[in-house]
Parts: sequence; C-alpha cells; structure tokens
Amino acid sequence: DIQMTQSPSSLSASVGDRVTITCRASQGISNYLAWHQQKPGKVPKLLISAASTLQSGVPSRFSGSGSGTDFTLTISSLQPEDVATYYCQKYDSAPWTFGQGTKVEIK
Amino acid sequence: QVQLQESGPGLVEPSQTLSLICTVSGGSTSSGRYYWSWIRQPAGKGLEWIGRIYGSGSTNYNPSLKSRVTISVDTSKNQFSLKLSSVTAADTAVYYCAGFHHDSSGYYTGDFDYWGQGTLVTVSS
Repeated sequence: DIQMTQSPSSLSASVGDRVTITCRASQGISNYLAWHQQKPGKVPKLLISAASTLQSGVPSRFSGSGSGTDFTLTISSLQPEDVATYYCQKYDSAPWTFGQGTKVEIK
Repeated sequence: QVQLQESGPGLVEPSQTLSLICTVSGGSTSSGRYYWSWIRQPAGKGLEWIGRIYGSGSTNYNPSLKSRVTISVDTSKNQFSLKLSSVTAADTAVYYCAGFHHDSSGYYTGDFDYWGQGTLVTVSS
C-alpha cells in the first residue's frame, strides 16, 4: 500500500510568514491528493483537492502544488486563524491514506 | 443540507465488537455518487481511514483493519454502520462517519464532503 509522509510534523511561524508543508507518496498518485485542515476540537475541512484546486470559500493565501509523489501546501501569509493541523490524503484508489499531519502554530 | 450523525456505545470492553451507526439526513445512502466512509482519530493523533461502502454495497477497507472490520448500509433507514471486532485499547478513538462525493469514474471530487461530529469510543473494562 502507498504510504504518505508529511514534513515537518510541526512548525511555529510568525504572523505574515510564508509556510510550506510537504507530503510525499511512496508511489506515484498523479494529482489525486487532497489537503485537509483540522482545527482543535473540530471536524476536518477540505482545503484543496486534485493537488491544487482550492475549494470554494478557502482563502487564497492557501495553495497546493505537485504531482506524482511530491506535493506541497503553502500558506502565503500565515494568519492566527490558520492555527490547525494539516493533513494530506491520497485518493487515487483504496485504501485512502492520510499523512501523519503537520501542526501549525503561531510563534 | 446533508447531515450525518454517529450513534453507538461510548464504552466497549476489550475483545468485544464495536458497533456504530451513522444516520444520514438531507441526503440518501442509496445515492450512487457517495463513498460512505468511516475515519477514526485517537486522542492527540492523526486521522486513520477505516473504510467505505458505495454503489450497491461494494466495500473497501484499510488493510491494517480488514480482518476485523465490516461496513454495511441499510438504505431503508438511510443509515450505514461500522463493526470492529476483537477490540483493544488501541481502538480507543473518536470515530467519524463521512460522505465523500465521487464522479462517474469513481474519483473523489471534493465538491461535497459531509462529516459527522464524531463520537468517542473508549475500549476499557
């Protein structure tokens, strides 16, 4: 089965900083990758599908890129409301697999 | 608006079977365009995909849980369910049910995601 590896596992950055999270698949998954945001005590929310398609209502400071095995989620200017854990998830075929998550905090 | 709600025991004894039901309102489990799914999350840890049911009852499971998991659907009640047998403390988690829209080729679209609020299941004697 394909494994999804995220890095870093956590990060601390200042408001306004550019933040980058990477996700690597153990085998190619084309662009069948989603990014979810989970705030403490809340249900996960889909931010990006198809590696780079921003969901309606998601701020434009979020962007995704990549294809094959290497993917990136970027927050162009970190805001206090972005404090959350971010998960990548592959969906090319079952089983769907999540990355282990990246916890983003404000410095 | 589609809403999902998990229900079931919050406490299960070790070696027993965990059983949860997800009731769907505002939508239909007989819709051919949704993966009705279960996902769990141990306290302080990440998301783990358990499995899904779709179409006329096809299922896919996480290989690490496959020998213990059964997901089924009752379209007459607009519910789908999860059974996890031989549970241990490692199965203690918040269990979410969710519906994920897919296209005619079976690929997740991200257009319509619906999650239940999650229910905590503790495995303990």
